[in-house]
Amino acid sequence: EAGVAQSPRYKIIEKRQSVAFWCNPISGHATLYWYQQILGQGPKLLIQFQNNGVVDDSQLPKDRFSAERLKGVDSTLKIQPAKLEDSAVYLCASSSRMGGSSYNSPLHFGNGTRLTVT
Amino acid sequence: AQSVAQPEDQVNVAEGNPLTVKCTYSVSGNPYLFWYVQYPNRGLQFLLKYITGDNLVKGSYGFEAEFNKSQTSFHLKKPSALVSDSALYFCAVRDPSYSGAGSYQLTFGKGTKLSVIP
Repeated sequence: EAGVAQSPRYKIIEKRQSVAFWCNPISGHATLYWYQQILGQGPKLLIQFQNNGVVDDSQLPKDRFSAERLKGVDSTLKIQPAKLEDSAVYLCASSSRMGGSSYNSPLHFGNGTRLTVT
Repeated sequence: AQSVAQPEDQVNVAEGNPLTVKCTYSVSGNPYLFWYVQYPNRGLQFLLKYITGDNLVKGSYGFEAEFNKSQTSFHLKKPSALVSDSALYFCAVRDPSYSGAGSYQLTFGKGTKLSVIP
């Protein structure tokens, strides 16, 4: 099966500019996640979708970050305006199920987008 | 709230020797535990998980992990290390009994860099 696709792979922007990342999950995966991985740290969940609804966005800086998953498939994560501390790798992941005993479904990650804010 | 600790930033081991990457966790209920591996410029790949049952879990590429409830640990092991095992390893935990904000989150440790020396 095809994996999780992300684009672009790399992005360099100046602070206060805007940027958008795209993710296409594995076909049939209802749950989609966006993680932020800062150098030297583990991934931190930004937002989690179940189909096209938001399940958890408690750690999403909503004053500058936004995400959508129209039609319950592809997703876009946007940062506007970017700050220096947003420099990180943004990982998209998907899993087949969520909730109840399906909490244990492993996540399938894309290769990420490395963002550098100068 | 759930948390996970990986006490070693780096582990060095000679090729052919056994390896251990340590992980301890903190949850209020019974944990779901995972190990992921990350190769340079790639996303995370699922290795294995513990949900319930046998405390020794076997996963991909010859890795295994031992769940120890009394020590709240889930150390990753492999009997004979390969140079190709050199990568960044992440332990992650989910508390299925927690129903507060962020209850669906998978919390990652900060990672341990494994270097296998030829």
